[in-house]
Amino acid sequence: GEDVEQSLFLSVREGDSSVINCTYTDSSSTYLYWYKQEPGAGLQLLTYIFSNMDMKQDQRLTVLLNKKDKHLSLRIADTQTGDSAIYFCAGVYGGSQGNLIFGKGTKLSVKP
Amino acid sequence: DAGITQSPRHKVTETGTPVTLRCHQTENHRYMYWYRQDPGHGLRLIHYSYGVKDTDKGEVSDGYSVSRSKTEDFLLTLESATSSQTSVYFCAISDREGGNTIYFGEGSWLTVV
Repeated sequence: GEDVEQSLFLSVREGDSSVINCTYTDSSSTYLYWYKQEPGAGLQLLTYIFSNMDMKQDQRLTVLLNKKDKHLSLRIADTQTGDSAIYFCAGVYGGSQGNLIFGKGTKLSVKP
Repeated sequence: DAGITQSPRHKVTETGTPVTLRCHQTENHRYMYWYRQDPGHGLRLIHYSYGVKDTDKGEVSDGYSVSRSKTEDFLLTLESATSSQTSVYFCAISDREGGNTIYFGEGSWLTVV
């Protein structure tokens, strides 16, 4: 079955850029997503990219998709302490069912 | 925020008792999902619904049943709760097949003792 891999931890200094990486095994996903989860809270949809796109920019967020290498990344510019959270990448598989397959999440720690 | 309300938000129950979690949406979205989140496993799909009375199983459906009698409500039932079902349960909704926008509720923390 589909597998989505993420590194578990990332630590950056406030003001630096953060890059969170994700690799996946199944290239059939039509959409790829990034979600943010703060402690004790639900998942907040940050952004998503359609599979025929290479890049999507949304304010401080840049998503890059390399279909050849099956690699997805999320860049957060000017990282703030409020960006500290767990970030999940996910893809939609299973045809029309909308079954999201999630990575295990990357915990981003932002140091002042 | 998407109009998704989960209830209860927190529950402690005993092994062997039935438990029902409710997801209510105000967005009139066709698709609704139940996920569970566990350390080391991320989020996994339990069941989903693609319309009123139309449901199907996800990756980890054993021990769970669902019902959708109205567009706005999707119920998840644990017929006989076990300790392995201690988890955080998230409801999600989507307005399109393939789900280019999938929104999550705030979660329901369930502890089975």
